[in-house]
Amino acid sequence: NAGVMQNPRHLVRRRGQEARLRCSPMKGHSHVYWYRQLPEEGLKFMVYLQKENIIDESGMPKERFSAEFPKEGPSILRIQQVVRGDSAAYFCASSPRAPNGESEQYFGPGTRLTVT
Amino acid sequence: KNQVEQSPQSLIILEGKNCTLQCNYTVSPFSNLRWYKQDTGRGPVSLTIMTFSENTKSNGRYTATLDADTKQSSLHITASQLSDSASYICVVSAGTGTALIFGKGTTLSVSS
Repeated sequence: NAGVMQNPRHLVRRRGQEARLRCSPMKGHSHVYWYRQLPEEGLKFMVYLQKENIIDESGMPKERFSAEFPKEGPSILRIQQVVRGDSAAYFCASSPRAPNGESEQYFGPGTRLTVT
Repeated sequence: KNQVEQSPQSLIILEGKNCTLQCNYTVSPFSNLRWYKQDTGRGPVSLTIMTFSENTKSNGRYTATLDADTKQSSLHITASQLSDSASYICVVSAGTGTALIFGKGTTLSVSS
C-alpha cells in the first residue's frame, strides 16, 4: 500500500504564475488535508476535503488559493498569481476516517514551492 | 489563542545518550496530543497519540508523557541513535474543528 504521494516534489514559479500541487491519498482514504510550512515555522492547517467536498477551509488564504478533491484523481491545491511569500513547503495528509478522536493522519513528502 | 510551544529549539547529544523534549500547550478544548518525527525533506511521521486520560505511551525507544492538568507533554528518547537526528514536533488536536495545531519542533542532532 503506497503512502501519500505528492508531486511535484519541487516547483519553481515566477511571480504572477500559477502553481498546481497534486496529492494522491493512501488507498482507501477519502479525507485529505493540506498544510503549509513556512521557513522556520511549524506546519499550519489550510484546508480539509472529503471526496468532492470542502469541509473546512478556515486556514486557507481568502484570495488566490483554492483546493479540490474530485471524485476521480488526486487532490489539487492551486495558487494563482504566486508571490514570493508563497514560497514554502506544502504538505498533504490523508486519513481513512473523519478527523476526530485518534484518527491518524498520514503525511506525504511535501512539495517545496519556490517563487522567484 | 490556541498555541503549542516546544523547548529546546535545538539539541545536540552524543549517540547512546538519552534526551527529553518538552511541549507546553494552550489549546481548548483539548482532544489529543501527538508527537511526530520529521526527517529533513520528508513529511512528518506519527510516533504517539495520547488522549486526555492517558499519562504515558511508548513506541520503542520513544516514551511520551502527558499532564493534562498542567498542559505539558514530554518526549523521552532512550539510547539515541544517529538516525534519531530529525525535528520532533508536538501537535495538539482541539476538540472542535479539524485543525491540528503544530509546534515549531525541536531539532535533534545525534553525533557519534
